[in-house]
Amino acid sequence: DAGVTQSPTHLIKTRGQQVTLRCSPKSGHDTVSWYQQALGQGPQFIFQYYEEEERQRGNFPDRFSGHQFPNYSSELNVNALLLGDSALYLCASSRNEKLFFGSGTQLSVL
Amino acid sequence: EDQVTQSPEALRLQEGESSSLNCSYTVSGLRGLFWYRQDPGKGPEFLFTLYSAGEEKEKERLKATLTKKESFLHITAPKPEDSATYLCAVQAHFSGGYNKLIFGAGTRLAVHP
Repeated sequence: DAGVTQSPTHLIKTRGQQVTLRCSPKSGHDTVSWYQQALGQGPQFIFQYYEEEERQRGNFPDRFSGHQFPNYSSELNVNALLLGDSALYLCASSRNEKLFFGSGTQLSVL
Repeated sequence: EDQVTQSPEALRLQEGESSSLNCSYTVSGLRGLFWYRQDPGKGPEFLFTLYSAGEEKEKERLKATLTKKESFLHITAPKPEDSATYLCAVQAHFSGGYNKLIFGAGTRLAVHP
């Protein structure tokens, strides 16, 4: 049983560019959440998708947007990248309160 | 505001030297407290969920306990493979039924032979 898979694993962008990160949830999971983890910090909640709709959002600007597809997979889009967006982006899937995380996408903004 | 504070930030142990990690929290109605392990460059790996004060859970050399204000992760006779960052997170009861987690900054544990 494949767990949560994320792509790409690493990404380098320059300021002002746009990026799309992808996530496939664990089999049987219908809810996908995205977290941002800066170096040396705990993950911070960005938003959560269920039934193709954003149902909860953390304290992140509108530059961060997402989408969930009918097969429950999800994308995270970040526009107008800033240096401060450099972080590990984690996707987590769930069916109840227990979240299972992917290995993340390491985004570096130069 | 819901908040999680973990201490110490870093801990160095000798193999076999038992210790405890602390997680203090303030939350508007605790729905659950979670412990995760994170290895460098990897996503967090689920360890335990605790729901009410007095609850305890064990897994191999790890034991998690919960009070009304804090949780402890006890590590008994650790081995070098226990080296990792341990993350604590809370889920608020009145979060609309959604499972948003609020994480602490973690404790970086290094166990030396």
